[in-house]
Amino acid sequence: ETGVTQSPTHLIKTRGQQVTLRCSSQSGHNTVSWYQQALGQGPQFIFQYYREEENGRGNFPPRFSGLQFPNYSSELNVNALELDDSALYLCASSVRGVNTEAFFGQGTRLTVV
Amino acid sequence: GENVEQHPSTLSVQEGDSAVIKCTYSDSASNYFPWYKQELGKGPQLIIDIRSNVGEKKDQRIAVTLNKTAKHFSLHITETQPEDSAVYFCAPFLSGNTPLVFGKGTRLSVIA
Repeated sequence: ETGVTQSPTHLIKTRGQQVTLRCSSQSGHNTVSWYQQALGQGPQFIFQYYREEENGRGNFPPRFSGLQFPNYSSELNVNALELDDSALYLCASSVRGVNTEAFFGQGTRLTVV
Repeated sequence: GENVEQHPSTLSVQEGDSAVIKCTYSDSASNYFPWYKQELGKGPQLIIDIRSNVGEKKDQRIAVTLNKTAKHFSLHITETQPEDSAVYFCAPFLSGNTPLVFGKGTRLSVIA
């Protein structure tokens, strides 16, 4: 086990709704990255948080937003859900500037209907 | 940005045989080369990595080789076992907390 936990593991939402996904990083890790993995594809980078600020963003619209808390845990928020948002959402924690290894949680499977 | 390609996309081997997956990348500045294994219903798990100052690294049945000149690195699994069946991803990047750029994955099936 990596020590990175995500919640919930599964959820179903209706198009147009909003969703919040949560991630607790591995102890001692100060950086959290979020990825979206569509079925049969590799994970795609959404954004990264370090010291409670967004520190890099992939090609995702502003309706994807996030937060990082003082304990380094993080949230991913998605507004105005679309059917194409259905995917596995992964968070990965790492230690900025020390280790380059990123450790992933088990993911949250989001289904938008 | 980094462009990453993996080959093959699917691979079936008999138990006990070897498997090799190749990853090519475009950004010559990349200096960290990890391989991840993803089992059904789980997140990717780091299984081996190599840095740009090393040509080969081995960990029991798993090895990674790097050719920086040609911009590719490969995952080698020897004496494959059914539990090696999974999707494998490469994700070369420039360390310093730039994001991982994943290939599309290789589905490995080990047939008992």
